[in-house]
Amino acid sequence: EPEVTQTPSHQVTQMGQEVILRCVPISNHLYFYWYRQILGQKVEFLVSFYNNEISEKSEIFDDQFSVERPDGSNFTLKIRSTKLEDSAMYFCARRQGYWTEAFFGQGTRLTVV
Amino acid sequence: GQQVMQIPQYQHVQEGEDFTTYCNSSTTLSNIQWYKQRPGGHPVFLIQLVKSGEVKKQKRLTFQFGEAKKNSSLHITATQTTDVGTYFCAALANAGGTSYGKLTFGQGTILTVHP
Repeated sequence: EPEVTQTPSHQVTQMGQEVILRCVPISNHLYFYWYRQILGQKVEFLVSFYNNEISEKSEIFDDQFSVERPDGSNFTLKIRSTKLEDSAMYFCARRQGYWTEAFFGQGTRLTVV
Repeated sequence: GQQVMQIPQYQHVQEGEDFTTYCNSSTTLSNIQWYKQRPGGHPVFLIQLVKSGEVKKQKRLTFQFGEAKKNSSLHITATQTTDVGTYFCAALANAGGTSYGKLTFGQGTILTVHP
């Protein structure tokens, strides 16, 4: 299975602080996504990124969230001012084509205190 | 938006028993994918179903897509302790329009296997 590396594996932050979650996907894949999973719940779509721009976002992905692919490889999710309810596992995912499977990274566990 | 319902939420079985999880949608799905998430792990792709009535097998796992493409199931025969985890179905949004391949996940079924 092609690697998707996410860093950090665990991040603890104070409420109101900014966090940046990083993902290093395979460079020849076209579609990139961020999903989150609150403990014990289902995996929820946050945002998709195609052709180096946001292509779709969910209601969860409000103005506090942003994504970038600054250097053509790393794919980042920024939360500007974290809230307690942002505590979750955040997964980066990518796929090579529209009808192919999604490969998920190992995730970053974000804990907001 | 698209919603996918999955039942049961939990399933406890003795090793060797069979297990089935069901996925339902109120709308016709273009395709459906199944993922397994081990405790503390990330979702790992198992299979994709595309055709109406499609049945696919992977060793002890059998996946079905309903004739109307509104439901799907995963059946595991003779469970083993290595089958422990959460099984998710996920609907891929229809191609075209404003969708870029987001997956809508069901709630998942947590499988516990007692040795």
